Amino acid sequence: DIQMTQSPSAMSASVGDRVTITCRASQAISNYLAWFQQKPGKVPKRLIYAASSLQSGVPSRFSGSGSGTEFTLTISSLLPEDFATYYCLQYNSFPLTFGQGTKVEIK
Amino acid sequence: EVQLVESGGGLVKPGGSLRLSCAASGFTFSDAWMSWVRQAPGKGLEWVGHIKKKTDGGTTDYAAPVKGRFTISRDDSKDTLYLQMNSLKTEDTAVYYCTSSRAASDWGQGTLVTVSS
Repeated sequence: DIQMTQSPSAMSASVGDRVTITCRASQAISNYLAWFQQKPGKVPKRLIYAASSLQSGVPSRFSGSGSGTEFTLTISSLLPEDFATYYCLQYNSFPLTFGQGTKVEIK
Repeated sequence: EVQLVESGGGLVKPGGSLRLSCAASGFTFSDAWMSWVRQAPGKGLEWVGHIKKKTDGGTTDYAAPVKGRFTISRDDSKDTLYLQMNSLKTEDTAVYYCTSSRAASDWGQGTLVTVSS
């Protein structure tokens, strides 16, 4: 099985900060990587697919990059509504696997 | 607009069974790979399994913790996905979401399954 390791597991940031979250795969997954945002008590929402394609309706301050084993999600300028937990998902091979999550909290 | 509506959750005793349903609308269900994802209380997301569309063989894959106990099926005539859960364990307690496509593009609101004596 492919292991997905996210870092950091939690972080504190301020409104306006540039935030970068990393996801590392235990083996190459090409660009079969998606990013999700989940707010407390809410359903996860897909932000990015194919490593760097922005989901329709998602603000352009979110971007994704990477290929192979290392991927990043970047929020260019953090807004109050971006405080949430973020997960990566590899869908290159079964079983699909999620990262453990990164909680972005208010500093 | 894509809509996925899960139902069938509830309280069940260890060793018991439950069947979840997911009614889909707003897209061509028969053309979609469908998955189940779960989230235990206070924990992260865990992929449970998926079913391919019939033209891709209609086959299923499962995560190791549920393999042999859970079965995913679909009824394309009813635009509905199912998750049959047998031999339930306390560690199966979670919110269960159905998702569309291989990369979980759309999610239902989830249904809570509690396994407890």
